[in-house]
Amino acid sequence: AQSVAQPEDQVNVAEGNPLTVKCTYSVSGNPYLFWYVQYPNRGLQFLLKYITGDNLVKGSYGFEAEFNKSQTSFHLKKPSALVSDSALYFCAVRDRGNAGNMLTFGGGTRLMVKP
Amino acid sequence: DGGITQSPKYLFRKEGQNVTLSCEQNLNHDAMYWYRQDPGQGLRLIYYSQIVNDFQKGDIAEGYSVSREKKESFPLTVTSAQKNPTAFYLCASSIWAEPMNTEAFFGQGTRLTVV
Repeated sequence: AQSVAQPEDQVNVAEGNPLTVKCTYSVSGNPYLFWYVQYPNRGLQFLLKYITGDNLVKGSYGFEAEFNKSQTSFHLKKPSALVSDSALYFCAVRDRGNAGNMLTFGGGTRLMVKP
Repeated sequence: DGGITQSPKYLFRKEGQNVTLSCEQNLNHDAMYWYRQDPGQGLRLIYYSQIVNDFQKGDIAEGYSVSREKKESFPLTVTSAQKNPTAFYLCASSIWAEPMNTEAFFGQGTRLTVV
């Protein structure tokens, strides 16, 4: 079975400071990993994904994520947070070795960026 | 504009009533999905469909029904058997082909409230 954990319900950061939203995963094989963002009363928007290759993945709006196989983590990062980054962030995983698997989502982390 | 359209945005249901949520996509995606989102929780898969005239139960299918008569459309019916239907419902679609590393695209959601 595959699973995703987002250990922090909420992350608070001051505008201009770097931010990190944590994600750890569990799959039997190798993972495909995704980050999505959700603004209030809206659907999820895709930010970035890790498929293979370079462990540092760059995505939309200046976000990036680092894949760490030994720690089974895929933390979302941004060098300088904006107030407009405040939203709900979801990490998701699919086991590469089991194509029939659906995406499994973490419980979400609310990011609050204060001016 | 390519994308996924969910309607209505807000829906109120009386107890004992069936209601149908609409989801239409013009992305030419084979696979479509319905998720339920409750406050403080992640996304839970209700049903999914990989191809026209076929669909599979997800993790929380009880009290829901779907159909997939056209590639573009995947309506969800919330039946009176669903005891706690108040939630935010998200429809998504994706390519369904190896190597299964593509992201899903989401609609803007329907907020269903039982009155």
